Parts: sequence; structure tokens; C-alpha cells
Amino acid sequence: EVQLEESGGGLVQPGGSLRLSCAASGFTFGSYSMNWVRQAPGKGLEWVSYIGSVSEAMYYADSAKGRFTVFRDNGKSSMYLQMNSLRDEDTAVYYCVRDGAIWVGGAPLRYFQHWGRGTPVTVSS
Amino acid sequence: DIQMAQSPSSLTASVGDRVIITCRASQAIGNFLNWYQQKPGEAPRLLIYAASSLQSGVPSRFSGSGSGTEFNLTISSLQPEDFATFYCQQCRGFPYTFGQGTKLEFK
Repeated sequence: EVQLEESGGGLVQPGGSLRLSCAASGFTFGSYSMNWVRQAPGKGLEWVSYIGSVSEAMYYADSAKGRFTVFRDNGKSSMYLQMNSLRDEDTAVYYCVRDGAIWVGGAPLRYFQHWGRGTPVTVSS
Repeated sequence: DIQMAQSPSSLTASVGDRVIITCRASQAIGNFLNWYQQKPGEAPRLLIYAASSLQSGVPSRFSGSGSGTEFNLTISSLQPEDFATFYCQQCRGFPYTFGQGTKLEFK
């Protein structure tokens, strides 16, 4: 059974930093690309970042560029999100998400197949 | 960036009703479109990927259709456990983007 467990969330002051962790089990972690998706209180879903299966590519939402860094350790079956210069608007539940994918016309069509339960981050003074 | 717009934003319906939720993309995305369901206090769940492929374990009353810029999620006969918020998401290119959500409520 695929399991994704986030940790590291909490209360942080504006301008502060936080590192989120995602511990994966139940599948071959190094064979899958991963994502962070967040949800502000009472709001919709927002994709935050993507990392390829062997860290060959990383992508970020505009809201995260320059402040957030995603990385992974396949030996530990873990993914991380280093968040710096945090703002009030970063307050959200952060979900660790594993991709599924099929190939369409030579391109990967990815979907968010498995989700963790999320870890809450509150940025407030 | 590709913008996704869902309609309606909210919907009231009864058990047994047929419901259609529409998602429109700001540019053509082929079939690079996924649908998710989220219940209060829970993580989202994948329902449909590649516009019309049913995720394993999802009831067959859920179906997806469309291509290009317009997509539909259809629930053929609503069940009590289906009341939730639904999101579409394009995976044609980064940044991935979601629709704003459609909240399905009991009439």
C-alpha cells in the first residue's frame, strides 16, 4: 500500500523558514516523480512544485520561485520542501503527492495519483 | 500559464440525480486533464485521468469526457457519499493549474 507521510509543518513568523518532509513507503520511491500541492484555509488546490524521479528536473509555481526548494533522497525514500522568506499567504495545508503517468504521443501525461494527509503551515506574527 | 475555469462553482442536487461539471482551459490541452474529489477534512482523491480514464477503485458512475479546451465530469446517479468538492487540473505543462472547484451539495 502506498503511504505518504508529511511532517515539519507548524507556526512560523513572516520571513522565517521551514522544511517540510515527506516519507514514502509501499512503492519504489526512486521510480516516481513527486509534487507538493497546497491548500489555503477555505480555498482551492494550488500546485507548488515538482521533482523528477532522480532529481533530473524541478519546477515551481510562480508563488514559490526563488523562495522554495524541492529536493529528494531516494536512498531514504523521502522528499523535502525547503521554504524560506515565508509570507502570510503561504499559510496552507501542504500535501505530498506521488505521480502516476501514461505516455500520450511521446509525452508523459502525469496525474496526482497518491496523496498524503497533509501538514499544516501557519505563517503569522 | 494555462488557466482553468470550472462551472458551476456550486451545485445542489439530490441522490439519484445526474450531474455534469464543466471545465474549460484557456488554451488547447488535448486530453491532458485530470479530475479530483475532495471531502471536508480529507486529502483529494484522483477520479479521472487523461480526460476519460477511470482511476482504479473509482465507481463507474463517474465518467469524464472532452478534449482540447472543454471537458466534463459526469456523475450518472448521485450517491450520498458523492457530495464533495471537485477539481479539474491540467497537466499539459508547468505550472500545473487547477480549476477553482465545484462544491456539490445536497438539495
